[in-house]
Amino acid sequence: DAKTTQPTSMDCAEGRAANLPCNHSTISGNEYVYWYRQIHSQGPQYIIHGLKNNETNEMASLIITEDRKSSTLILPHATLRDTAVYYCIVRVVPPSGYSTLTFGKGTMLLVSP
Amino acid sequence: GAGVSQSPSNKVTEKGKDVELRCDPISGHTALYWYRQRLGQGLEFLIYFQGNSAPDKSGLPSDRFSAERTGESVSTLTIQRTQQEDSAVYLCASSRERDYEQYFGPGTRLTVT
Repeated sequence: DAKTTQPTSMDCAEGRAANLPCNHSTISGNEYVYWYRQIHSQGPQYIIHGLKNNETNEMASLIITEDRKSSTLILPHATLRDTAVYYCIVRVVPPSGYSTLTFGKGTMLLVSP
Repeated sequence: GAGVSQSPSNKVTEKGKDVELRCDPISGHTALYWYRQRLGQGLEFLIYFQGNSAPDKSGLPSDRFSAERTGESVSTLTIQRTQQEDSAVYLCASSRERDYEQYFGPGTRLTVT
């Protein structure tokens, strides 16, 4: 799986949009971009994933550049409960539909009042 | 519905003792994964079960580690003759067939003294 680069930490004011960047310049054509987060003392939580097109769900939006070398996770109205480590992963999903996850260091997002 | 549950939430054991960790996946999820996360580190894949297929044990760090799963339900991870380096949070995740989203449990924090 391709390697990703994320900032170590970011701050965001409550109610503002949090924009978390991720570089994945070596991504290959069949690799998806996934985002997970891990709130302190909890298991990781799936947020969103995409291949080429921008995606949106009830938690966040994912913006992938046209060359797919980078992406941005957007939390439109950050709350204190969004304080967590955010992991950007690129991975191939095999035909069987199963593959394991490998997290790097991620970005520690601190949402402040 | 109910998420992935794990027990115990915390386990303190003496070096050399055996421990058994339990995971109850989401009902209907055919794939089950065990990961380990040391303090301040990313996820380390241990083992996964896919339906009735032979499990992928490629991530188990030593023969002291073993895991079982009964059908598509409960799984147990057993660590024999625990060592201090086994201290970590052990996370279980499950996913539906051909679903790329893994849902994590809260983890078991294992401390070997």
